[in-house]
Amino acid sequence: KNEVEQSPQNLTAQEGEFITINCSYSVGISALHWLQQHPGGGIVSLFMLSSGKKKHGRLIATINIQEKHSSLHITASHPRDSAVYICAVSRNTGNQFYFGTGTSLTVIP
Amino acid sequence: KAGVTQTPRYLIKTRGQQVTLSCSPISGHRSVSWYQQTPGQGLQFLFEYFSETQRNKGNFPGRFSGRQFSNSRSEMNVSTLELGDSALYLCASSLGWEANTEAFFGQGTRLTVV
Repeated sequence: KNEVEQSPQNLTAQEGEFITINCSYSVGISALHWLQQHPGGGIVSLFMLSSGKKKHGRLIATINIQEKHSSLHITASHPRDSAVYICAVSRNTGNQFYFGTGTSLTVIP
Repeated sequence: KAGVTQTPRYLIKTRGQQVTLSCSPISGHRSVSWYQQTPGQGLQFLFEYFSETQRNKGNFPGRFSGRQFSNSRSEMNVSTLELGDSALYLCASSLGWEANTEAFFGQGTRLTVV
C-alpha cells in the first residue's frame, strides 16, 4: 500500500466548474505539498501545508492532520488548469518526498 | 532570479553506458534532491544533498550515485544503464534542510535508454 493515495486518478471538467482533488496519507508527516505538472515535465509547487488552509488565487488547499487527509480545490476552473496534480508528503527534515500517483485534470472550454 | 536549471534536457544512451546529469539550484539554495519519474512507478525519491553531504537516500541500486559541489550544484550519475532507467529525472532545490522548507523543481532531464 502506498503511503500517499490520491483520488480521482483522472478528472474531466467543464470550464467554470468547482474541482476537488483528494489526498490521504498513512504516515506521520512534517508537511504536505501540492504540486502541478504540465506536459513537458516541469513541476511547480503550489502549496506547502502543515495545518489549516491556504489560498492562492483560485486555488485552495486544506489539510486535516487528525484524519490524515488533504484536499485541493480549484474554483472557476479554466482550460489552463489542465495538468497533473500531485500530492506529496515530507516526513522529516529535507525533501525526501513520498508522492501520490497524481490526478490528471482536463478542463474543457 | 534564475530557477533550477537541469542539463541536458534530453538524452539518449545505449544500454551499458553511463550518464551524468546536472542540476544547478536557485542561487543561495544549499539543498538539492533528485527524483525519478516513470509511467509505471510514478515519482520516486533518489537522494538528497546538503552542504556537499548526502543526507537521505531512496531505495535505488548502487548504480545510481550523486554528489554536490561547494557551489551547491549537483550531479547524478547512473552507470551500466538499463532499459528500465528510461525516465524523467527531476531535481529540486531548497534554501536549507529544515523541515517545511519549500522545494523548487527544475524542468527535468528526459533520459531514453535504447
